[in-house]
Amino acid sequence: ILNVEQSPQSLHVQEGDSTNFTCSFPSSNFYALHWYRWETAKSPEALFVMTLNGDEKKKGRISATLNTKEGYSYLYIKGSQPEDSATYLCAPLMSYNTDKLIFGTGTRLQVFP
Amino acid sequence: DSGVTQTPKHLITATGQRVTLRCSPRSGDLSVYWYQQSLDQGLQFLIQYYNGEERAKGNILERFSAQQFPDLHSELNLSSLELGDSALYFCASSVSGGVNEQFFGPGTRLTVL
Repeated sequence: ILNVEQSPQSLHVQEGDSTNFTCSFPSSNFYALHWYRWETAKSPEALFVMTLNGDEKKKGRISATLNTKEGYSYLYIKGSQPEDSATYLCAPLMSYNTDKLIFGTGTRLQVFP
Repeated sequence: DSGVTQTPKHLITATGQRVTLRCSPRSGDLSVYWYQQSLDQGLQFLIQYYNGEERAKGNILERFSAQQFPDLHSELNLSSLELGDSALYFCASSVSGGVNEQFFGPGTRLTVL
């Protein structure tokens, strides 16, 4: 069973704070990592797909880095806004099954005004 | 709006019954994925179809089956329903698979009484 860990489980920050959270996954047989954002009562929405060690992706105030050698990815949100409140999910793909996303349990972020 | 449609939005049925959930992928997407989200559980991958063929399988119960039709829409059939099958079922689509981001539909909420 693939072990995907996300930490922290939940996070409460004030508007304007910057924050980051972690996704850990097995480094062997790594193929790609997906990040999704899931707002309450909506559907998961793709943020990034990352494949290369050292990869950095950015979308607005959200960015992510990838370390495939040690098996982790960081997601950063700069200057959090209430609309960033959501659960952030990571899901690695492994080379022995490049279509099967294994989702972590997510980090639930709440941004207070 | 992701462009992925799912019907019905809600379904209430009794134990032992059979239901069919339907998904239409985004225009141009060849891959369709089915996920289950139960209470206290993360998103669990069930099965993937690519251009009409089954491509990847997760922990899908034998009572569950799926198919993808020539027009690329997909159906998930759940039979001999049990209380524990109550969950939110998502369909997602992508251009092909693997490193392509997935676009999620709004989900079907299944309640088994």
